[in-house]
Amino acid sequence: DAKTTQPPSMDCAEGRAANLPCNHSTISGNEYVYWYRQIHSQGPQYIIHGLKNNETNEMASLIITEDRKSSTLILPHATLRDTAVYYCIANPFNDYKLSFGAGTTVTVRA
Amino acid sequence: SAVISQKPSRDICQRGTSLTIQCQVDSQVTMMFWYRQQPGQSLTLIATANQGSEATYESGFVIDKFPISRPNLTFSTLTVSNMSPEDSSIYLCSVDLVRGRYYGYTFGSGTRLTVV
Repeated sequence: DAKTTQPPSMDCAEGRAANLPCNHSTISGNEYVYWYRQIHSQGPQYIIHGLKNNETNEMASLIITEDRKSSTLILPHATLRDTAVYYCIANPFNDYKLSFGAGTTVTVRA
Repeated sequence: SAVISQKPSRDICQRGTSLTIQCQVDSQVTMMFWYRQQPGQSLTLIATANQGSEATYESGFVIDKFPISRPNLTFSTLTVSNMSPEDSSIYLCSVDLVRGRYYGYTFGSGTRLTVV
């Protein structure tokens, strides 16, 4: 599976958009980009995934560059409850072996 | 809505003893997964539990240390055997639940284990 690189931490202001970058320069053609987050003392929560098109759901938007070497997760209106560790994972679809890296610790501040 | 129930949510155990963690799902699933999250670390897959067959263990994890049962399509257990302080971690179960347009894996809240 392709390795992903994320900044270790970032802060964002409540009510503002949070843009979380992820680099996956060695991603293969059959690998999707998945985003999960882990709020303190909880199990990881699936957020969104995509292959090459931008995706949006009720939680977030995922922007994938045309060359698929990087992506950005966008939380449109961050709230304090969005404070969590966010994991970007490159994985073939339905490959259960999710490789969780260190992730980005996002702190939303009032 | 909650779909996975893990028990116990936390425990403090003496070294040399064993603890069995239960994972109950409210839907039938083919594959269930067990992860370990050591303090301050990310998640590592321990094994995959399929109903009716032996669990498949990842490199670095062995059946003698982490025996797994999968008696039916909604339930699995993970036992941490002959515990040492190094086994202090959060243990999580996960399943692949496809609901609507979701394709992600769903995780339980985890079992926080402290070995003293």
